Amino acid sequence: DAGVIQSPRHEVTEMGQEVTLRCKPISGHNSLFWYRQTMMRGLELLIYFNNNVPIDDSGMPEDRFSAKMPNASFSTLKIQPSEPRDSAVYFCASSLGEGGGYTFGSGTRLTVV
Amino acid sequence: DAKTTQPPSMDCAEGRAANLPCNHSTISGNEYVYWYRQIHSQGPQYIIHGLKNNETNEMASLIITEDRKSSTLILPHATLRDTAVYYCIVRVWVSNSGYELNFGKGTSLLVTP
Repeated sequence: DAGVIQSPRHEVTEMGQEVTLRCKPISGHNSLFWYRQTMMRGLELLIYFNNNVPIDDSGMPEDRFSAKMPNASFSTLKIQPSEPRDSAVYFCASSLGEGGGYTFGSGTRLTVV
Repeated sequence: DAKTTQPPSMDCAEGRAANLPCNHSTISGNEYVYWYRQIHSQGPQYIIHGLKNNETNEMASLIITEDRKSSTLILPHATLRDTAVYYCIVRVWVSNSGYELNFGKGTSLLVTP
């Protein structure tokens, strides 16, 4: 199993540009989570999908952030327009329903200049 | 949501047992305790979880007090590679569709030679 795959690993973009982060969950997992990690705020849950349906997006910071899960094997997190304060490491995780643990990807380090 | 309290940092000598405490005094009867760790620059890694009974796997042991208000993660023979931030999390139920893990600040464990 290749685990949770995120791309790109690193992204540097200019303020105002659109950024799209991608995640491929583990095959068969039905829950997917997007987290953001910064030194100041630690790991924050942004949004949670169950069976491709967004369940809780209360952690999405503002309308500039959007997430989609068009099918069970792919999800995107988009920031438009990006701002320097969006600089962080973004993690995607997946899990198989109840019980067990989440498997995290290696993260995307986003730098907005 | 049940909150957790962990010491910000701990040291442990290599080869000794590392005992990481966690307080979760507001935990509800059906809420699980999860432990994750994050090695620098990597995604969080699942370690173990439990409800009432003590649990053990190849990585660690989890001791939960009878009143469930606290728990201890035990790494029986710590190695240098166990140096990481360890998160104690109470899994919370969200609507009728699933669970969320909300990470706190964790304990930074330093294993020394």
